[in-house]
Amino acid sequence: NAGVMQNPRHLVRRRGQEARLRCSPVKGHSHVYWYRQLPEEGLKFMVYLQKENIIDESGMPKERFSAEFPKEGPSILRIQQVVRGDSAAYFCASSRRDSWGYTFGSGTRLTVV
Amino acid sequence: AQRVTQPEKLLSVFKGAPVELKCNYSYSGSPELFWYVQYSRQRLQLLLRHISRESIKGFTADLNKGETSFHLKKPFAQEEDSAMYYCALSNAGNMLTFGGGTRLMVKP
Repeated sequence: NAGVMQNPRHLVRRRGQEARLRCSPVKGHSHVYWYRQLPEEGLKFMVYLQKENIIDESGMPKERFSAEFPKEGPSILRIQQVVRGDSAAYFCASSRRDSWGYTFGSGTRLTVV
Repeated sequence: AQRVTQPEKLLSVFKGAPVELKCNYSYSGSPELFWYVQYSRQRLQLLLRHISRESIKGFTADLNKGETSFHLKKPFAQEEDSAMYYCALSNAGNMLTFGGGTRLMVKP
């Protein structure tokens, strides 16, 4: 098991385009979390998902951002009509339902030009 | 609301010197606290958590409920300790709230 896999590692988008970030959790992990790290800042919680359910999206911007974790396949963080301020590193983490400990992915670095 | 504060963005020490990375928190319940480390170009890794009361790579952290602190300490810093360190708090819902991070630089 290779751990949490995020792709792409780097993503460049022009203003107004859509960005799709993928996260495949550790096998057997049913909880996925997305965090954003803006330049020179710490990690900010965005959304917490379980399979087919959004548990907490209190950290998600109200517009343009959405996330899903379907029954099959990776979790997707989608950013529509990207703006320069969306440039950041986006980290995904996963955990098991019955134990503690996040496993983090290597992140996707989004650059909006 | 829960909050984690790491007052120092950058901490620079010489090799062999003691290190203390500060972390303060606010949380109305009974907190679970963690330290994560991110070495250059690597993913975040769990360093230690307060419930296990362990020492990892020479680092320890004691939860002080009276001062609402969970400072990370090491008596003798090594160059390979240079990294970003994040203090984090979990709520009952399994989510982690992170502090802003402290970059530790250990100079030779």
